[in-house]
Formats: sequence, structure tokens, C-alpha cells
Amino acid sequence: SAVISQKPSRDICQRGTSLTIQCQVDSQVTMMFWYRQQPGQSLTLIATANQGSEATYESGFVIDKFPISRPNLTFSTLTVSNLSPEDSSIYLCSAAGQGHSPLHFGNGTRLTVT
Amino acid sequence: AQTVTQSQPEMSVQEAETVTLSCTYDTSESDYYLFWYKQPPSRQMILVIRQEAYKQQNATENRFSVNFQKAAKSFSLKISDSQLGDAAMYFCAYRPYTGANSKLTFGKGITLSVRP
Repeated sequence: SAVISQKPSRDICQRGTSLTIQCQVDSQVTMMFWYRQQPGQSLTLIATANQGSEATYESGFVIDKFPISRPNLTFSTLTVSNLSPEDSSIYLCSAAGQGHSPLHFGNGTRLTVT
Repeated sequence: AQTVTQSQPEMSVQEAETVTLSCTYDTSESDYYLFWYKQPPSRQMILVIRQEAYKQQNATENRFSVNFQKAAKSFSLKISDSQLGDAAMYFCAYRPYTGANSKLTFGKGITLSVRP
């Protein structure tokens, strides 16, 4: 199973700034997924990141607010831009290994916007 | 579109007892995966168990087992001999059978507490 390292684990940011979250996988994966989990809520998919192409965003999420990079098959970043208190959430990256293996998750990044 | 429903927001179980967490889903697909994930306060999402829809046999992982009823689109998780470390939020999730490119759809989750 894939081991996923995500950082930072938490951060406190000021309104109007941006935060970039990094996700490193210990093996090559085709797709990486970025989720948001608002306090006490379930996980909502932000976007799917494929290496070498633009990310595919879910309804309600736009590239200007959540730019994603996927420079190779083991790494991705999610930036949360122009932060507001409503962006305070946990952000998680996930990936699946070969074939039909299940999705595994990083430890998440807890973002607090003041 | 696929949906996953967990109608119980909270449940409680006595240590060493058995508890069942309910999940229903809706899909028009015939092949898919179902999962239960556990999220303790550390917020790490931990895969508990998975079920392939084409398999009639219910999946089992140690103290965790599922009751998969494909016709009823029901996928419940049974935790036997509950332990204090089982206290967490549990999410039921669905994934189409299209390999690494397919995304997970989660239910709202259920908070399980374990009484000593």
C-alpha cells in the first residue's frame, strides 16, 4: 500500500495570504486526490490531479482559489489562495497504488485562518 | 450520481460488546468497491475494510466484518469485542470499479464512542 507524507501538518495563516500543502507518495501513482474536511463534516473532493495535465475540479471549486501542481508521479501540491476564515478546514491528499488498490491518505493539514 | 448515506450521526458501545454501523448507497453501476474508513482524533484516515461488489462473500478483517446486501444497496460494519481504541469517526465510502482514476464518495460519517 502507498505511504503518503503530507506537510505541513497544521498552520495558522492570516486572511488574504496563501498556503501551499505538499503531498509526497512513496511510489508512482496515476491519480492524486485533494479533499477538504470542514469541522465535524465529511470529506469533499476538491480536485483530481493527473501528472502532466491540468487538474480536474469538482463543482464549487475553481483553479484560481485552489491551484494544484502535479510535476511527477509521486508529488503534488495544493495551494489555498486568498485565505478567508471560511477556508479553515482539514485538507487531505490521497492516492491509489497500482490497479484497483484502495485509496490511502496523508495525515492531513489543519488550516486555521485568522 | 452516486450517493452514500449514513443516517446515524452518533453511536455508543460498551467495551467488549458488538456494534453495527449502517450505510446505504445509491448507484446504477454493477461493479464497484465499498469501504469503511476510520478517522480518530489524529485525523488520519485509516482503511478498515473493503468489499468488492462482485464478491458475494462478506469481507472480514479480524474484529471487523461487513454485511453487504447488494440488492438492498446496504453495507454495514460490525465491530466485535469493541475496544477503547475503536472510538473514532467512521466513514462509509463508494468507489466505481474503474481503477486508480476513480474517486471516492463519502458518507457523512458516524461518531462512535466506546464506554469503558
